[in-house]
Amino acid sequence: QVQLVQSGAEVKKPGSSVKVSCKASGGTFSNDAISWVRQAPGQGLEWMGGIIPMFGTANYAEKFYDRVRITADESTSTGFMELSSLRSEDTAVYYCARGGTTITVIRGVTRYYYSFMDVWGKGTTVTVSS
Amino acid sequence: DIQMTQSPSSLSASVGDRVTITCRASQGITNYLAWYQQKPGTVPKLLISAASTLQSGVPSRFSGSGSGTDFTLTITGLQPEDVATYYCQKYNTAPLAFGPGTKVDI
Repeated sequence: QVQLVQSGAEVKKPGSSVKVSCKASGGTFSNDAISWVRQAPGQGLEWMGGIIPMFGTANYAEKFYDRVRITADESTSTGFMELSSLRSEDTAVYYCARGGTTITVIRGVTRYYYSFMDVWGKGTTVTVSS
Repeated sequence: DIQMTQSPSSLSASVGDRVTITCRASQGITNYLAWYQQKPGTVPKLLISAASTLQSGVPSRFSGSGSGTDFTLTITGLQPEDVATYYCQKYNTAPLAFGPGTKVDI
């Protein structure tokens, strides 16, 4: 059974960066998709981006494209999300979530697709305050 | 990018009522649609995938339907423990996207 353990809460100054980790156990990390979802206080869920470790290339939501970097370390089955140029509006709970993947190869072109998220980490609270 | 909308944004119903939540995608997504339940202070929980496939352990009073751009989540016989916010999500091609959520109260 897949479990995701996230790093602890962070308090950051505006303009700084935060890096949150998500260690997976019990699954096939390289073949899975790891997504990052954030939830500001009283707000809904926002998909920030995701990565399929075996491919190593991340996908991002347009809103976060210039400030977020999502990576994965297959050797430790750990995913990372780094958000830069923090502002007060980035105060939120950040979740990692695991999903399956579908991989197709057509005429030599490999494409990968994200499945639904069936396992979630407990969330990491990031507070941005001066 | 595909946008997801939900209606209503909130609703209040009585125990035993039939509750329907609608989710709409700005473009066709075939059946790549999931529903999540989030109770206050907890992590989101996957209820339904592929628009209508109930996850293991999810009560049968929950059901999903739809394809293309229009989807529904139905709770037949609302229970007190169903008080939560429900989110639809489109997956498959990136970027993934959630709907804004529907808060269900009793």
